[in-house]
Amino acid sequence: DSGVTQTPKHLITATGQRVTLRCSPRSGDLSVYWYQQSLDQGLQFLIQYYNGEERAKGNILERFSAQQFPDLHSELNLSSLELGDSALYFCASSVEAGYGSGYTFGSGTRLTVV
Amino acid sequence: GEDVEQSLFLSVREGDSSVINCTYTDSSSTYLYWYKQEPGAGLQLLTYIFSNMDMKQDQRLTVLLNKKDKHLSLRIADTQTGDSAIYFCAESSTGANNLFFGTGTRLTVIP
Repeated sequence: DSGVTQTPKHLITATGQRVTLRCSPRSGDLSVYWYQQSLDQGLQFLIQYYNGEERAKGNILERFSAQQFPDLHSELNLSSLELGDSALYFCASSVEAGYGSGYTFGSGTRLTVV
Repeated sequence: GEDVEQSLFLSVREGDSSVINCTYTDSSSTYLYWYKQEPGAGLQLLTYIFSNMDMKQDQRLTVLLNKKDKHLSLRIADTQTGDSAIYFCAESSTGANNLFFGTGTRLTVIP
């Protein structure tokens, strides 16, 4: 157990629907990062939050949004889902907003859009 | 932007050494990392090296850094079937907000 908790582990939904993925960071970590891992595109950085504020944005679609709550857990909202959104979504956390500490990853949410 | 490249596949026989290579483009890289992803699991931090180091050894793992050539390698001695996984190289720069990951190298250990 890495200490980063992601729920749900698996999600199957239809095109056009909206889902919410949840992440609880490791105790003491203030930064949360979201990544998408698909077979053909490797690991893609989506977005980072630090202590409730958005800190960096990667290749995140406009249909996707995220937030970090006062208790530091984070949610990634995916809407108007398309078949191509099927992927593993990982959350990671770290102590600092930046370098040196590395990330601790959760075990991921596997999203299947049918 | 930052670019981190790895070969996609590597196969080795059990008991042999594995060497996974990574190249990066950001000359201001401060930390370089190796992560391991087992099937169905998240990424696990294996080791990292600070950019002013040439080598770091941790049990069966040896990390070599050639900063001039921007080349990082991970050597796994006495490779076991349990080492079969995807290995990701990642780098970060001073003050950067996130890590940049390579595409990952799928290591297959043949019994």
